Amino acid sequence: QVQLQQWGAGLLKPSETLSLTCGVYGGTFTDFYWSWIRQPPGKGLEWIGEIHHTGDTNKNPSLESRVTISIDTSKKQFSLRLRSATAADTAVYYCASGGGHETLDYWGQGILVTVSS
Amino acid sequence: DIQMTQSPSTLSASVGDTVTITCRASQSISRWLAWYQQKPGKAPEVLIYKASTLVSGVPSRFRGWGSGTEFTLTISSLQPDDFATYYCQEYTGYSTFGQGTKLEIK
Repeated sequence: QVQLQQWGAGLLKPSETLSLTCGVYGGTFTDFYWSWIRQPPGKGLEWIGEIHHTGDTNKNPSLESRVTISIDTSKKQFSLRLRSATAADTAVYYCASGGGHETLDYWGQGILVTVSS
Repeated sequence: DIQMTQSPSTLSASVGDTVTITCRASQSISRWLAWYQQKPGKAPEVLIYKASTLVSGVPSRFRGWGSGTEFTLTISSLQPDDFATYYCQEYTGYSTFGQGTKLEIK
């Protein structure tokens, strides 16, 4: 059984960088994609991007210029950085297993990140 | 970019009813379509993948259909636990979610 545990700062000021990490416990870390998804309060899901264990990434074109997704296979962790945050980036951020032609089977607990001055 | 148009945004139904949610893709996605269920305060859970294949443990009253650009999720004999929000997702390599359908008790 795969479990994902995510952590990072929950409150940012505008223009700061959002930084979250997701640790993977159980299961196989390689040969899979790993994804980030966000959900503004009361709204729908938005795919942010994904990373393969090889380091290849795909990102939402609307966020691509501000997003970095990285992976540390030795620690079984992957991370999200979103630069120049604004109030519009306030959302619950989820990490999940899957991506590419794989569904998002296992999810982290979600972290509410609030961007406010 | 592929756009996913999901309808309706809200659906009111009673226990025992049968409901259908529709998802349309802006271009063909073959059968790379999944359906998720989300309950308040929880992460989504995948119900169906490749348009019509049920995830292990998902009740058979959930049925997915479609290919190309037109897809449906039908839930038969609604149970109290089924009232939640449902999302479609295309996963052709990049990914896009539909806007969601909130299934409410009438």
